Amino acid sequence: QLQLQESGPELVKPSETLSLTCTVSGDSITNPNYYWNWIRQPPGKGLEWIGNIYHSGVTYYNPSLKGRLMLSVDSSRSQFSLRVTSVTAADTAVYYCARQRGRREFDPWGQGTLVIVSS
Amino acid sequence: QSVLTQPPSVSAAPGQTVTISCSGRSSNIGNNDVSWYQQIPGTAPKLLIYDNNKRPSGIPDRFSGSKSGTSATLSITGLQTGDEADYYCGTWDNLSGGYGVFGGGTKLTVL
Repeated sequence: QLQLQESGPELVKPSETLSLTCTVSGDSITNPNYYWNWIRQPPGKGLEWIGNIYHSGVTYYNPSLKGRLMLSVDSSRSQFSLRVTSVTAADTAVYYCARQRGRREFDPWGQGTLVIVSS
Repeated sequence: QSVLTQPPSVSAAPGQTVTISCSGRSSNIGNNDVSWYQQIPGTAPKLLIYDNNKRPSGIPDRFSGSKSGTSATLSITGLQTGDEADYYCGTWDNLSGGYGVFGGGTKLTVL
């Protein structure tokens, strides 16, 4: 059974870099059918797609966040990672990682991790 | 402001039917498949519908989806109190090199 688990600091200072890792178990991150995604949800608000990465390293980013994002993948560790630079309070959110079949559905999702941007 | 438009809230009594709309444009819903997610507060979203109208294993047939042009609809029949949750539509947008998009979410209240 495929499982995804987010990990990383819960508190990040404004202007610094937010870094999260998603560990994949139960399936190969090199499966050619899937992309690996980051999605976030600010407290009390809706879902926002951040970006995704293919096992080859090809990436797609949300145009509204492009320039502050970097996604990477480490197939040997079955992990993919997110970096968001120059964070502000607006980046405070629950961050989810999720598998995506091609350009289609997101399933499954990790349990999510709350990241707070505050000094 | 979300790329896909959903009503903020819907409500209905137990046993009744409710529909949730999701409106987009040709670059997203018009040319890509739609999926729907259920999110109970405090938990991660769960896939309900994929490829516009397919249900994953374990999802009751009370949940159904459809798509026409640049809009999609989620229908829930035989409402139960356990269906009270937030519902999101999602798809891909072909503009700007391609990116994922979601609706703003709809809060379902079972009266």
